[in-house]
Amino acid sequence: DAGVTQSPTHLIKTRGQQVTLRCSPKSGHDTVSWYQQALGQGPQFIFQYYEEEERQRGNFPDRFSGHQFPNYSSELNVNALLLGDSALYLCASSFSGGTQETQYFGPGTRLLVL
Amino acid sequence: SQQGEEDPQALSIQEGENATMNCSYKTSINNLQWYRQNSGRGLVHLILIRSNEREKHSGRLRVTLDTSKKSSSLLITASRAADTASYFCATGFDYKLSFGAGTTVTVRA
Repeated sequence: DAGVTQSPTHLIKTRGQQVTLRCSPKSGHDTVSWYQQALGQGPQFIFQYYEEEERQRGNFPDRFSGHQFPNYSSELNVNALLLGDSALYLCASSFSGGTQETQYFGPGTRLLVL
Repeated sequence: SQQGEEDPQALSIQEGENATMNCSYKTSINNLQWYRQNSGRGLVHLILIRSNEREKHSGRLRVTLDTSKKSSSLLITASRAADTASYFCATGFDYKLSFGAGTTVTVRA
């Protein structure tokens, strides 16, 4: 049973560019959340997707957008990259049935903006 | 902004000793969860305690929750070298998790 997978594992971009990160949820899960983790900090919630719509959003600018596909996989897009966007981006999946409380995390994509 | 704050920021213990870390939070919660992260990789879920629970055990882990003080503690008993990691508390509310900055635990052989 595959867990949460993310691609790519590492990425280097320059300021002003755009990036797309991908996530496949754990089998049986239908909800995907994205988090940004700066070095030495805890993860910060970006947004959550359920039924192909953004259900909840954290305190991130509109440069951060996402999408969820019918197979529940998800993409995170960041436009007009800034140096401060350098971070580990974590995807987490959960199941909408039951209490939806526990989120299972992928290994992350490490983004470096130069 | 971080919802929770872990204390201490770093902890170094001898193998076999117990490790205790604390978490304080600010707002209402549905549940509080603890996660482990090794070397900046993905987070591993350790244990979840609901707001109406006071204590929970899972293997060598013991978690307590005091909603009146808005605080939680994680105890790892009989620590092993493999327990070396960063530990984060996360409060769950309204579909999202809000994490603290974490406690870095080093277990010396």
